[in-house]
Amino acid sequence: GAVVSQHPSRVICKSGTSVKIECRSLDFQATTMFWYRQFPKQSLMLMATSNEGSKATYEQGVEKDKFLINHASLTLSTLTVTSAHPEDSSFYICSVPQSIQETQYFGPGTRLLVL
Amino acid sequence: GQSLEQPSEVTAVEGAIVQINCTYQTSGFYGLSWYQQHDGGAPTFLSYNALDGLEETGRFSSFLSRSDSYGYLLLQELQMKDSASYFCAVRDRKGGGNKLTFGTGTQLKVEL
Repeated sequence: GAVVSQHPSRVICKSGTSVKIECRSLDFQATTMFWYRQFPKQSLMLMATSNEGSKATYEQGVEKDKFLINHASLTLSTLTVTSAHPEDSSFYICSVPQSIQETQYFGPGTRLLVL
Repeated sequence: GQSLEQPSEVTAVEGAIVQINCTYQTSGFYGLSWYQQHDGGAPTFLSYNALDGLEETGRFSSFLSRSDSYGYLLLQELQMKDSASYFCAVRDRKGGGNKLTFGTGTQLKVEL
């Protein structure tokens, strides 16, 4: 069964609105979760590392005030895309690292379309 | 910086064997992973190599040569369901070994 869930799976919103995406680790506690963005036919680009109990760490070029991350508990991280614009339309995927860090379990992804 | 290069597309027939190569540049290398992603789906873990050599898991095998900064994924007895994108990814000391940097991805098309 699924190890990581995401909600919603798909969202369409108007330009200027904010969208919250949830990522839940179903089988184990996760002090760290990762958020990726993937444009069509492209690779996964790491946006930020979500840390339980502390601030998220963002990759170079990712605006922390635009992509708000909250690691509310050991099983939940949320990504909020604030003031979304059409160029934010993408596939957003979260992942949870396995305990020995050899692999990551990915959520099913959230497809965001900003009109 | 880090970079991983893969062929963009590979086409093969059902039942054949295909090899997807990955060359990487990174510092403080820990290991190389391979992920499969079907259209619209989540990446799923296939294999991981930390040491040189071949790792076999069913129809899939993965090879690593750290001295050459090179690895490959070998898919045998290809099936139509293997049509997907395949990504190599490195773990390195950036971020304390927690992060993955993904390659450019290879779209595999399996034909009858």
